[in-house]
Amino acid sequence: GDSVTQMEGPVTLSEEAFLTINCTYTATGYPSLFWYVQYPGEGLQLLLKATKADDKGSNKGFEATYRKETTSFHLEKGSVQVSDSAVYFCALSDQNRGSTLGRLYFGRGTQLTVWP
Amino acid sequence: EAGVAQSPRYKIIEKRQSVAFWCNPISGHATLYWYQQILGQGPKLLIQFQNNGVVDDSQLPKDRFSAERLKGVDSTLKIQPAKLEDSAVYLCASTLQAGGNQETQYFGPGTRLLVL
Repeated sequence: GDSVTQMEGPVTLSEEAFLTINCTYTATGYPSLFWYVQYPGEGLQLLLKATKADDKGSNKGFEATYRKETTSFHLEKGSVQVSDSAVYFCALSDQNRGSTLGRLYFGRGTQLTVWP
Repeated sequence: EAGVAQSPRYKIIEKRQSVAFWCNPISGHATLYWYQQILGQGPKLLIQFQNNGVVDDSQLPKDRFSAERLKGVDSTLKIQPAKLEDSAVYLCASTLQAGGNQETQYFGPGTRLLVL
């Protein structure tokens, strides 16, 4: 079945450091891929997404590229800020396969803490 | 635009008691999802509605969990009787229409349930 594997956290960085959070997936066909972020005390928010191979999603300085050959969707940011401290979830959706379900399969989440 | 509303935000009950959670999706969103997020894990789909009909409840423990969306707008998720392992955050999400490459799920803040 469909699944997502994320690197385990927590990840602790100093401000302005480079961030990579690894995500790989297992799915039939070509799913859509997402990164969601959960700030303390808030609900999940979509950070970025990509719907086909080689697409790059980007938002707020974060980027992730849909790599079909390595079944990966790693999240990167060149210079993190204290305000980026949150839990990051990688997810996939079956909506690209003509399914009307559009359900999301999430990874376990990676806690990021950025120190000033 | 108002987001997905959920209540209560927190609930503490004893095992074998019953509990109900409420969700009001974004206006006009036809598809509504309930997810369960156990501490340290990613959210897992419990049930999906399309308008007032159930699309997928294959992961819902039907011996104790039930959900309804009678008028195709707000939804209620119930647990009766609760078990210790039901302690989790219950997330509600909605999307305009399931399926299609551009659909994004919008999440509510969640209800944090603790079963003692």
